[in-house]
Amino acid sequence: QVQLQESGPGLVKPSETLSLTCTVSNDSIKSDYWTWIRQPPGKGLEWIGYIKFDVITNFNPSLKSRVTISVDTSNNLFSLRMTSVTATDTAVYYCAKGMEGHEVWGQGTLVTVSS
Amino acid sequence: QSVVTQPPSVSAAPRQRVTISCSGSSSNIGNNAVNWYQQLPGKAPKLLIYYDDLLPSGVSDRFSGSKSGTSASLAISGLQSEDEADYYCAVWDDSVSGPVFGGGTKLTVL
Repeated sequence: QVQLQESGPGLVKPSETLSLTCTVSNDSIKSDYWTWIRQPPGKGLEWIGYIKFDVITNFNPSLKSRVTISVDTSNNLFSLRMTSVTATDTAVYYCAKGMEGHEVWGQGTLVTVSS
Repeated sequence: QSVVTQPPSVSAAPRQRVTISCSGSSSNIGNNAVNWYQQLPGKAPKLLIYYDDLLPSGVSDRFSGSKSGTSASLAISGLQSEDEADYYCAVWDDSVSGPVFGGGTKLTVL
């Protein structure tokens, strides 16, 4: 079955850039849309954005100016980059398969923004 | 503050039936399919219902979904202790061209 695994630094300093990758197993990165979602501690889920094969992307308007999502077909993974982070960006970041109705999720990775 | 609204919490006794509501607008629920997720503590969300009322393979038929107008509901029958979790509705919103999530509902099995 399809598996997703997030990876990246667990601690990022304020004003710096958050970078995460999601490695896809048992499926091709070219096959579908791929999404990033986050969840601040004790709070609800927030859609960040999605990508399809480096061609189609869309982002949450509230984050659009700071977010980039890209695909690496050679390594079958997709990545999230968020600039100028603040404490409010502290969250568990999930990657998921599909544009909506996400049936496959990664386990999530906690990113803390702190000096 | 989410554009789709859920009650913060609901509770019911074991073996009872509970419903969780999700209220939106014409730009989301009124025009698009609703999905529901269950999130157990410390775990990633799990898709429970898609396209308003369809169950993914492996999901118990104690869970059911419905929609009318700009509101949707998740029903859980024969409540069990392991159903204690946070439940989220999610729906495509035409104004952002992406999914929006409800604020989540914490289910307590008394």
